[in-house]
Amino acid sequence: SAVISQKPSRDICQRGTSLTIQCQVDSQVTMMFWYRQQPGQSLTLIATANQGSEATYESGFVIDKFPISRPNLTFSTLTVSNMSPEDSSIYLCSVTIGREQFFGPGTRLTVL
Amino acid sequence: GESVGLHLPTLSVQEGDNSIINCAYSNSASDYFIWYKQESGKGPQFIIDIRSNMDKRQGQRVTVLLNKTVKHLSLQIAATQPGDSAVYFCAENDGSDTGTASKLTFGTGTRLQVTL
Repeated sequence: SAVISQKPSRDICQRGTSLTIQCQVDSQVTMMFWYRQQPGQSLTLIATANQGSEATYESGFVIDKFPISRPNLTFSTLTVSNMSPEDSSIYLCSVTIGREQFFGPGTRLTVL
Repeated sequence: GESVGLHLPTLSVQEGDNSIINCAYSNSASDYFIWYKQESGKGPQFIIDIRSNMDKRQGQRVTVLLNKTVKHLSLQIAATQPGDSAVYFCAENDGSDTGTASKLTFGTGTRLQVTL
């Protein structure tokens, strides 16, 4: 299994600003994923972050809006840039160990 | 705190009864399926998984059934308890990474409410 922590757990931000979310895992993992969960909805994959390479973004998500860093095998950051109220969501990081995917507790973002 | 699943379909079950949560998937190439439980304010937690070469898999109080013909997945919870109240999501691997848990596509979710 994996223990995943995220910072901050929640934040309220003004439109036009940016927020960087941190994800820390207690073991080294190759693949890390960032998901978005809009209010009352399911999870949507934003991007896959592998250490040492550029993140791979899913359709509808771009690097300029959601830049990702993956400096080592236990850590990743997701930045939500130039925020608007539509970015209000829960952002979750996850990792794959074996054939299981484990999720962090999420970062609840509200944009005013 | 704010609850996930505010606008999701809801299943109400009396404590002690069995629950059946259903999920339809669309990608016939998917070969790996997972059920997750998400409690309010938490990330999804793994419950049980099944590969496409199986029709049924049992865990502790939970059973997953897979019908590939109609692309349908169900989660059965025996003797439902108040602690089972949560939002349940099915997820499928898109087939591009066969047999792994990467690149999951999540279903819309069902909120399970257990009444006393």
